[in-house]
Amino acid sequence: DTGVSQDPRHKITKRGQNVTFRCDPISEHNRLYWYRQTLGQGPEFLTYFQNEAQLEKSRLLSDRFSAERPKGSFSTLEIQRTEQGDSAMYLCASSWTGGYGYTFGSGTRLTVV
Amino acid sequence: EDQVTQSPEALRLQEGESSSLNCSYTVSGLRGLFWYRQDPGKGPEFLFTLYSAGEEKEKERLKATLTKKESFLHITAPKPEDSATYLCAVQAGTSGTYKYIFGTGTRLKVLA
Repeated sequence: DTGVSQDPRHKITKRGQNVTFRCDPISEHNRLYWYRQTLGQGPEFLTYFQNEAQLEKSRLLSDRFSAERPKGSFSTLEIQRTEQGDSAMYLCASSWTGGYGYTFGSGTRLTVV
Repeated sequence: EDQVTQSPEALRLQEGESSSLNCSYTVSGLRGLFWYRQDPGKGPEFLFTLYSAGEEKEKERLKATLTKKESFLHITAPKPEDSATYLCAVQAGTSGTYKYIFGTGTRLKVLA
């Protein structure tokens, strides 16, 4: 297993467009997390899945954001009607029950123009 | 409100010049404190987990310690390849949450 994979690595979109990111976690990991990081800041929690169930969502996750993890495998994060303030690095991480620390992917950098 | 503060924001060291990074936290019910290293354009890379005051972990030139209010990441005789942003995160609260609260990081530059 080569770790957590995120696709695409970079995405430039026009304001108002919808975008979708994909995350493939480490196969043995049942927990999956999405974070957002802006320049000079630490990652901020967005949402968390255990298997296919979305168990926690941040207040940061507005109605324009939706995340899914069908069949408890890969996950997608969709942003509808993107705004310039959505420009950030979107990080996915995974862990297993009782695991110590997450494994992060390399992130998807979103630029909204 | 749970809070994590890291200092200094940036640190420049000469190769071989040892120093410490600080992570202070104010949380209700600490369940774990985590240190990560992040290189530019990449995701954070896990370094250490600490669970209780007095605990210490070591890895190569890095040593992490934990008290009831703060954690230190000691870097002994750093090399240029240790240059990165070091992030501290805490997991706190009830057992039903697994989110981390991150600090803003310390940007370390080690000069040859």
